[in-house]
Amino acid sequence: EAGVAQSPRYKIIEKRQSVAFWCNPISGHATLYWYQQILGQGPKLLIQFQNNGVVDDSQLPKDRFSAERLKGVDSTLKIQPAKLEDSAVYLCASSLVGSFPETQYFGPGTRLLVL
Amino acid sequence: AQSVSQHNHHVILSEAASLELGCNYSYGGTVNLFWYVQYPGQHLQLLLKYFSGDPLVKGIKGFEAEFIKSKFSFNLRKPSVQWSDTAEYFCAVNAENNAGNMLTFGGGTRLMVKP
Repeated sequence: EAGVAQSPRYKIIEKRQSVAFWCNPISGHATLYWYQQILGQGPKLLIQFQNNGVVDDSQLPKDRFSAERLKGVDSTLKIQPAKLEDSAVYLCASSLVGSFPETQYFGPGTRLLVL
Repeated sequence: AQSVSQHNHHVILSEAASLELGCNYSYGGTVNLFWYVQYPGQHLQLLLKYFSGDPLVKGIKGFEAEFIKSKFSFNLRKPSVQWSDTAEYFCAVNAENNAGNMLTFGGGTRLMVKP
């Protein structure tokens, strides 16, 4: 079974530039999550989708971050404009609705460095 | 709001030593508890999970964890570590009344096993 796919794996940009990350969840997983993991910390949830609807985006900095999952499968996370403090690993995870407890499976992450 | 504390940020052990990593959470209701591991250069993987029943949970690679409700703890143990257990370990909590299934992670414990 293929796991969660993410691209790119690494990205270096300058502050005030924009960047986008892509995630393809495990086939059949209706729930998709984006986490931010700053160096030395645990992952922090940014946004959660179920199919193409947003379940929780309370911790998403909406002035600069946006995410979408238009067809209920792939998702993109965008940062515009980027700040130095956005340097982190951005993790995508997915889970199967109806499994108990819902176990989240993580992708390899995208490591972002903002200069 | 729920929170998770992992008291040991760095642990160094020799091979064959016993391991116990602490995890405490703050939430008064029913919780689901997880331990994830991240080996160097790899993505987060599920080690084990607890949601009900026997408070002693066994996971992959000889790991186990004990849920002690009165202490709000879910410590991870392994009787004899191997060099290949060198990794970062994350405890995570999901509150059962959280319709969004959001995971709250601890800050992680970096384990180094000396051969």
